[in-house]
Amino acid sequence: EAGVVQSPRYKIIEKKQPVAFWCNPISGHNTLYWYLQNLGQGPELLIRYENEEAVDDSQLPKDRFSAERLKGVDSTLKIQPAELGDSAVYLCASSLGGGTANTGELFFGEGSRLTVL
Amino acid sequence: GEDVEQSLFLSVREGDSSVINCTYTDSSSTYLYWYKQEPGAGLQLLTYIFSNMDMKQDQRLTVLLNKKDKHLSLRIADTQTGDSAIYFCAESLSGYSTLTFGKGTMLLVSP
Repeated sequence: EAGVVQSPRYKIIEKKQPVAFWCNPISGHNTLYWYLQNLGQGPELLIRYENEEAVDDSQLPKDRFSAERLKGVDSTLKIQPAELGDSAVYLCASSLGGGTANTGELFFGEGSRLTVL
Repeated sequence: GEDVEQSLFLSVREGDSSVINCTYTDSSSTYLYWYKQEPGAGLQLLTYIFSNMDMKQDQRLTVLLNKKDKHLSLRIADTQTGDSAIYFCAESLSGYSTLTFGKGTMLLVSP
């Protein structure tokens, strides 16, 4: 069974340019997360989806960041325009979500490493 | 609010036991997790413990939970060089809530 797939793995752009990251969660996982991981830090939640609905986007900098999960499956995270401080790893994760007993385990993709010059 | 604290670095010799510690602030946390991250990879769940448990053992891994002190530890027996990685502690209010992660502990195992 395929895990969480993210692309691209690496992206280098100049500041003020746009960038987009794509994530395909594990089949059947209703909940999808985008996390930001700065160097030497733990993952910090940007946005959480339950199916196609964003249920927690309180930490998403909405002036430049946007995300969508139109059909409740794969998702895109966009930054426009990118700033130097956006250099980080963007992690996508999925989980089973609601329903029967759930340990809340998250399954992570390998991440998309962004470098803004 | 939720906050998770970990020591940043631990160095051990191969064959020794490793103990990684974590403290959390939210007494309502129901699930506590240990994730492992190898270089260039995403996080992978190692084990979790439910808040009504004191201990959980899984092969070389032992998790101890002191709910009174809000202290969680992960013990790795017979540590191997392949265990070198960053270990993250995380908490969740329920099985459906968002996880809050610590900053991670880098474990370095030397031969």
